Amino acid sequence: AQSVTQPDIHITVSEGASLELRCNYSYGATPYLFWYVQSPGQGLQLLLKYFSGDTLVQGIKGFEAEFKRSQSSFNLRKPSVHWSDAAEYFCAVDRGSTLGRLYFGRGTQLTVWP
Amino acid sequence: DGGITQSPKYLFRKEGQNVTLSCEQNLNHDAMYWYRQDPGQGLRLIYYSQIVNDFQKGDIAEGYSVSREKKESFPLTVTSAQKNPTAFYLCASGTLNTEAFFGQGTRLTVV
Repeated sequence: AQSVTQPDIHITVSEGASLELRCNYSYGATPYLFWYVQSPGQGLQLLLKYFSGDTLVQGIKGFEAEFKRSQSSFNLRKPSVHWSDAAEYFCAVDRGSTLGRLYFGRGTQLTVWP
Repeated sequence: DGGITQSPKYLFRKEGQNVTLSCEQNLNHDAMYWYRQDPGQGLRLIYYSQIVNDFQKGDIAEGYSVSREKKESFPLTVTSAQKNPTAFYLCASGTLNTEAFFGQGTRLTVV
């Protein structure tokens, strides 16, 4: 069963527009939550993470994400997208049962129009 | 520089051959992981190790083998039993209550 859902396979936005990438998970307890970004042929870079505390977390490159327990969601946002943000974005969950064992969504490919 | 080094970046395998992908980290992390990435499927866990001389199967371990003789190293062998090995392989490391750090990946192609 899919544990992490990213419902949007591909999103296209214009440069300067706002962005929201969706992520839902299906665990009962609050897991550790992550967003990673991947450029073609590269490894994954961490954008931000949520372990506990403030449900709005800030990351690198101007990204933020909000954890909503009631919706089991951890959506990624950026107020103004830059052309260099074009990449694939992965949401990941660590259920905490095994050190660092991550479950990934299938990814959202972001295209940015100039 | 601290980080994770995967080698080679590109690897070609003939049918019936075993190949080994290298992963080395100098982050002093206890845990190391191997993921396989296929288009549209996200990352799937092959094997992971939380301590030297111990490792566990992930979700898609069939046709793969690993060893963890040193804290810094976690090589992955793709055996001839893996029927569809062409993929992008990512190694990662981590420790308690931190994120996983990823290498730059190895692209394996069967020729």
